[in-house]
Amino acid sequence: DAKTTQPPSMDCAEGRAANLPCNHSTISGNEYVYWYRQIHSQGPQYIIHGLKNNETNEMASLIITEDRKSSTLILPHATLRDTAVYYCIVRVASGRETGNQFYFGTGTSLTVIP
Amino acid sequence: DGGITQSPKYLFRKEGQNVTLSCEQNLNHDAMYWYRQDPGQGLRLIYYSQIVNDFQKGDIAEGYSVSREKKESFPLTVTSAQKNPTAFYLCASREGQGSGYGYTFGSGTRLTVV
Repeated sequence: DAKTTQPPSMDCAEGRAANLPCNHSTISGNEYVYWYRQIHSQGPQYIIHGLKNNETNEMASLIITEDRKSSTLILPHATLRDTAVYYCIVRVASGRETGNQFYFGTGTSLTVIP
Repeated sequence: DGGITQSPKYLFRKEGQNVTLSCEQNLNHDAMYWYRQDPGQGLRLIYYSQIVNDFQKGDIAEGYSVSREKKESFPLTVTSAQKNPTAFYLCASREGQGSGYGYTFGSGTRLTVV
């Protein structure tokens, strides 16, 4: 299974960049890396996804290493509202048909400090 | 605006009772999913449906049932056979099955057994 490894928690000062790492060493060549975040008691919110190239949108940037075994989500100017659990996800690719579901681990709990 | 609506947001159930959680989407997505989330843990797949009138068990289907009579609707019934039903339940949909298609989540239903 193409699972991911993330640090359980991180702190970031308000206004600074938050860099959230993720390891996905068993990723397959055609699998995208997705990032979601979940604020307490809400549904996960899509942030960004990518395959090989670095990606940027209005919320964040995604940096994927050349070997695709790891990636980093960058929130360029973290605010208090960015405090949430951040999930790095790669599609489960197993022999059993699972509807190509995403595997959500425990993610990284990011706390933005005033 | 298109999206997924889960209702109710909070639900209380007496032990031994069945209860049905609603999930409706107007995104015209074929695939729909139900996840369960316990405190401090990731999401675990209960059931998923890739097309109308078809659904498959996920990793923790025991004590749950679903139906998919319409494309827009994927209700989840928590039966009395579910031993620990108190949890946060999330519904999601997806436009396609390929790795390039992300999830859209509802806002969740928090079920408490009293």
